[in-house]
Amino acid sequence: EPEVTQTPSHQVTQMGQEVILRCVPISNHLYFYWYRQILGQKVEFLVSFYNNEISEKSEIFDDQFSVERPDGSNFTLKIRSTKLEDSAMYFCASSRPLAGPSTDTQYFGPGTRLTVL
Amino acid sequence: DAKTTQPPSMDCAEGRAANLPCNHSTISGNEYVYWYRQIHSQGPQYIIHGLKNNETNEMASLIITEDRKSSTLILPHATLRDTAVYYCIVKTDSWGKLQFGAGTQVVVTP
Repeated sequence: EPEVTQTPSHQVTQMGQEVILRCVPISNHLYFYWYRQILGQKVEFLVSFYNNEISEKSEIFDDQFSVERPDGSNFTLKIRSTKLEDSAMYFCASSRPLAGPSTDTQYFGPGTRLTVL
Repeated sequence: DAKTTQPPSMDCAEGRAANLPCNHSTISGNEYVYWYRQIHSQGPQYIIHGLKNNETNEMASLIITEDRKSSTLILPHATLRDTAVYYCIVKTDSWGKLQFGAGTQVVVTP
């Protein structure tokens, strides 16, 4: 069964450093998302991406964040200068197969745990 | 998207059916009810969704009331691996963000 994959599973970085979190969405999906979950809190939406453009972003997704689909398979989230409060689980999701039902069921990856020291 | 209300927690005995309620009294006609679960900080896992009719798949059944103001997710034979936080989310079927609440923490006990 196709699944969303994410690397690395755990990333430790120093405050102020840049990090890139990587995701491989399900291969025939068209919509891509990033969510995050700070320990003990709710899952929060960050950004959605379609047709090589950001479709929607939350207030959390400020200028420190960027997303990219550098090739036909990867979808990345870059945090330019990490802060302590960026420590969280980051989940990638994808939806909308190219062919088939038009459902927007989102399928999530296992997450990357980001720890900023 | 309409908001949902779920109990914060519930226990279930292994092998019994778990019935998870969700209220969504402000749901609109074009909004679906989606259920996801999250097992201990893993990525949210899609379970089932429906618009008006009851739905069943290999994981669960979804019962939606006739007025669509509430629904129940049924795990027919709960196992220890079903211990998780279960989220009821109301959303249109067009693309867009999922808005997660606090969900229901379900603990399945032997």
